[in-house]
Amino acid sequence: ETGVTQTPRHLVMGMTNKKSLKCEQHLGHNAMYWYKQSAKKPLELMFVYNFKEQTENNSVPSRFSPECPNSSHLFLHLHTLQPEDSALYLCASRSDSGANVLTFGAGSRLTVL
Amino acid sequence: EDKVVQSPLSLVVHEGDTVTLNCSYEVTNFRSLLWYKQEKKAPTFLFMLTSSGIEKKSGRLSSILDKKELFSILNITATQTGDSAIYLCAVATDSWGKLQFGAGTQVVVTP
Repeated sequence: ETGVTQTPRHLVMGMTNKKSLKCEQHLGHNAMYWYKQSAKKPLELMFVYNFKEQTENNSVPSRFSPECPNSSHLFLHLHTLQPEDSALYLCASRSDSGANVLTFGAGSRLTVL
Repeated sequence: EDKVVQSPLSLVVHEGDTVTLNCSYEVTNFRSLLWYKQEKKAPTFLFMLTSSGIEKKSGRLSSILDKKELFSILNITATQTGDSAIYLCAVATDSWGKLQFGAGTQVVVTP
């Protein structure tokens, strides 16, 4: 365990469903991230939160909606997704000590039918 | 546009072999380069490199950065089946953890 926990680990949803991914960290970190990992492609940064404030939205479609209620929890709300959104969604956190080392969760494997 | 390219994309080796993985980059603002290992779970941190020519070592793994030629290598000696994984290279382009990743190198170590 890395200290970053993601649930669910696997999710299958239809294009009209609404679901949420959850990420929780108890490392005392103040920055949290969502990355998308598709097969054979680089990890793509989606969102960054620092001290609960969104500081980066990497041109992500509005069908992905992040929420960061506090520094330990991060959600990704999903609605009306497309099959090409099927991927592994990784959450990460980082200490604000200044080093750029991210600690990742194990990911949520999403399949959109 | 920032770019990180890893090579090879995949390779298969026998236990005991030595593996060298490459990572080249073109970014507008380089802060550090990181290596991660990803098995069927969370990517785990291996090394962070900020200075040229200084080798970082952990057991059978080592890595070095060349900031003049804009690349890094990751070496794994005396490979074991447990080294089978995807190895990810990433470049930090700011001090807030914004990482530009390569596509990864899949390493398979056969007994």
